[in-house]
Amino acid sequence: ETGVTQTPRHLVMGMTNKKSLKCEQHLGHNAMYWYKQSAKKPLELMFVYSLEERVENNSVPSRFSPECPNSSHLFLHLHTLQPEDSALYLCASSQDRRTTYNEQFFGPGTRLTVL
Amino acid sequence: AQSVAQPEDQVNVAEGNPLTVKCTYSVSGNPYLFWYVQYPNRGLQFLLKYITGDNLVKGSYGFEAEFNKSQTSFHLKKPSALVSDSALYFCAVRDWDNNNDMRFGAGTRLTVKP
Repeated sequence: ETGVTQTPRHLVMGMTNKKSLKCEQHLGHNAMYWYKQSAKKPLELMFVYSLEERVENNSVPSRFSPECPNSSHLFLHLHTLQPEDSALYLCASSQDRRTTYNEQFFGPGTRLTVL
Repeated sequence: AQSVAQPEDQVNVAEGNPLTVKCTYSVSGNPYLFWYVQYPNRGLQFLLKYITGDNLVKGSYGFEAEFNKSQTSFHLKKPSALVSDSALYFCAVRDWDNNNDMRFGAGTRLTVKP
């Protein structure tokens, strides 16, 4: 295992539901990331948190709302999603976001299906 | 912005044969390159990286990658493929123009047949 856990592993929700994805890292890292993975497309970086502050929001619709209460936990709150939001959502962490030679460690992902 | 390209969606190899998964890059400065693997129902796992130094980088599970500056390539290789190597492989590069974020390719699905 990579030291990054995600729950739930699978989620099916209607377009009017509200749900949250959870990520936890046990590596002592200080940067955390949300990515969206769709079939045959590069991973899309959604949000970046460094030292618990959001430092990036890559034009993600407001129906996705991240939260980072501490350096070990990251949430993605979902509200009024669209079917095209169905994808695998991956959480990752790294030590010192600005250190360019550091690799990222990924969780197993949450497979989200929006009906 | 920096970017990587993986020209093959799918690579098929017989078990025991050598494998190559291709990656080319486009950067404005020194490239910091990475390979990740994704097994079914798993997140991405780091395999290896090139930062500087020897052009041949060795990583996990017997994989290696060769950095070629003149061809702007960073191909992933393994001398003898295993069925268990079947997975999705991603090449990535640090994007100097965008907060040093990691930019990933679209992935190459490797299938190793017995």
